Amino acid sequence: GQNIDQPTEMTATEGAIVQINCTYQTSGFNGLFWYQQHAGEAPTFLSYNVLDGLEEKGRFSSFLSRSKGYSYLLLKELQMKDSASYLCAVRDGDYKLSFGAGTTVTVRA
Amino acid sequence: DTGVSQDPRHKITKRGQNVTFRCDPISEHNRLYWYRQTLGQGPEFLTYFQNEAQLEKSRLLSDRFSAERPKGSFSTLEIQRTEQGDSAMYLCASSSPTRGIGYTFGSGTRLTVV
Repeated sequence: GQNIDQPTEMTATEGAIVQINCTYQTSGFNGLFWYQQHAGEAPTFLSYNVLDGLEEKGRFSSFLSRSKGYSYLLLKELQMKDSASYLCAVRDGDYKLSFGAGTTVTVRA
Repeated sequence: DTGVSQDPRHKITKRGQNVTFRCDPISEHNRLYWYRQTLGQGPEFLTYFQNEAQLEKSRLLSDRFSAERPKGSFSTLEIQRTEQGDSAMYLCASSSPTRGIGYTFGSGTRLTVV
């Protein structure tokens, strides 16, 4: 089976930085995805890592270590609109994503 | 490109009734997925279509659930004899291996069984 762990909740102040960790134990590995999901809305794609290292995209960066089964999503210069759930997902074959339970990030003024 | 559309957005039904949801994927995407999401959890995989062929069904999908994608375009998910445990958000997603690596999700159908 798949085991994907991430913290349940995190709180940070507007303008700050937050790092959301994700650890995984899966039967295979073909990429790790991060999605953002606002309440009642569709998950939206943020980032993708398949090789070790850091991928930077504006205020969001994602890191992967395949040997450690570990990834993190870094959110910089937090804005109120970043308050959402952040989902870590692993693709273990050609197409199927397995998701963690999500991390709810609350940004305070 | 209008994204992935799902209909209806909300459905309230009595236990024992049948319900059907529709998903219209991005037109260039040949892959279509159904996921189920309950409160406080991540989406759980239900089934996968490549064009019109249903290539995988999760063990979560009991005999009361059936999905189709008759012409390789839109898809339907039917739940027969609904139970309260079926209450969840049903998400559809689509992708194409030749058009980027992201999966595009629809806004979902929220099912409440009373």
